[in-house]
Amino acid sequence: AQSVAQPEDQVNVAEGNPLTVKCTYSVSGNPYLFWYVQYPNRGLQFLLKYITGDNLVKGSYGFEAEFNKSQTSFHLKKPSALVSDSALYFCAVRDRGGATNKLIFGTGTLLAVQP
Amino acid sequence: DTGVSQDPRHKITKRGQNVTFRCDPISEHNRLYWYRQTLGQGPEFLTYFQNEAQLEKSRLLSDRFSAERPKGSFSTLEIQRTEQGDSAMYLCASSLDGTSNQPQHFGDGTRLSIL
Repeated sequence: AQSVAQPEDQVNVAEGNPLTVKCTYSVSGNPYLFWYVQYPNRGLQFLLKYITGDNLVKGSYGFEAEFNKSQTSFHLKKPSALVSDSALYFCAVRDRGGATNKLIFGTGTLLAVQP
Repeated sequence: DTGVSQDPRHKITKRGQNVTFRCDPISEHNRLYWYRQTLGQGPEFLTYFQNEAQLEKSRLLSDRFSAERPKGSFSTLEIQRTEQGDSAMYLCASSLDGTSNQPQHFGDGTRLSIL
């Protein structure tokens, strides 16, 4: 079965510092991986995806993610955090068990950026 | 692109009542998904439509739940005889048909509170 783990419930970082939000996955075969962000009382916004190709994926709002097959990780990164980046971040893997392409999400990591 | 629209945004009802939610996907998107998100958790898949056909239902979708997408455009999710455990955020997402790499775009959800 496909699964995603986000080991940190919360990440605290000072504004201007680099940030990393961790994600590890477990899939059979090649993974399709996604990052989404959720602001309070809102839906999820797509940030970036890894399907194939370069291990470093660039996405929206200056975010990027590094795919590491040997470590089965897909960590989200940003060189310089903004207070407005404070939100809930979800890593997801596409279910390869059927034809629906449904997403399997981690439990989320709350990012708090202090001014 | 007006995004995925969900209505209502909030619903408060008494236990045992029936509720219905509506989702309007992005207009050219053939695929439509319903997810449920409880506090502190990532979204969990409920059901999937390709055009008007409901192709997969999660075990989470008990017989009190029914979803439709009658003309392959908007979708409704009905919960009959609501229970306390149904309190959650119900999220709708849509994506383009074609390759499985297309990201899902989410609406802002309907928050259901059962009194």
